[in-house]
Amino acid sequence: EVQLVESGGGLVQPGGSLRLSCAASGFTFSSYAMHWVRQAPGKGLEYVSAISSNGGSTYYANSVKGRFTISRDNSKNTLYLQMGSLRAEDMAVYYCARDGLGIAAAGTYFDYWGQGTLVTVSS
Amino acid sequence: SYELTQPPSVSVSPGQTARITCSGDALPKQYAYWYQQKPGQAPVLVIYKDSERPSGIPERFSGSSSGTTVTLTISGVQAEDEADYYCQSADSSGTPHHVVFGGGTKLTVL
Repeated sequence: EVQLVESGGGLVQPGGSLRLSCAASGFTFSSYAMHWVRQAPGKGLEYVSAISSNGGSTYYANSVKGRFTISRDNSKNTLYLQMGSLRAEDMAVYYCARDGLGIAAAGTYFDYWGQGTLVTVSS
Repeated sequence: SYELTQPPSVSVSPGQTARITCSGDALPKQYAYWYQQKPGQAPVLVIYKDSERPSGIPERFSGSSSGTTVTLTISGVQAEDEADYYCQSADSSGTPHHVVFGGGTKLTVL
């Protein structure tokens, strides 16, 4: 059974940093591109970032480019999102999701999602 | 920037058919995907590649495409189908991170 479990969310002050983790199990993690998608309270889904299966390619939404860094450790079956210079508009539930195509290609989708971790940005 | 447009809400009575549309200029060239999200839960993929149904998704969920509009159809709606539904696709740039979600449609089962 595919499982994705996020952790690392919490309360952070504006301008602060936070690192999210996503522990994967039930599939060959190193064979799949992975993604982060977020959802602000009461709002819709917003794409954040992607990373290829070997970590060699990364992609970011314009809203987080230069502030967030996606990475992965295939030996630990774990996906990360390092978030910096956090703003009020970054407050959201952050979901990790598996790439439905396996590769972070154009037109991809998300076949499994974690339960999410809440990031609150407030002073 | 590219947008996918969904109606904010759709209401149906139990047993009826619900149709949720999603419109976007690139949809004739890009597949669409549909996710169901119940309150406090993560999204669940219910339709992929316009009309394919993942294993474990009830047959009452179906998808179709016509021009710049894709439609999620739920036949014989049940109370448990009450949720937010999001379409997802990509723009025509060919860039992997150009993923776009529709604004979501709240399905209410009367």
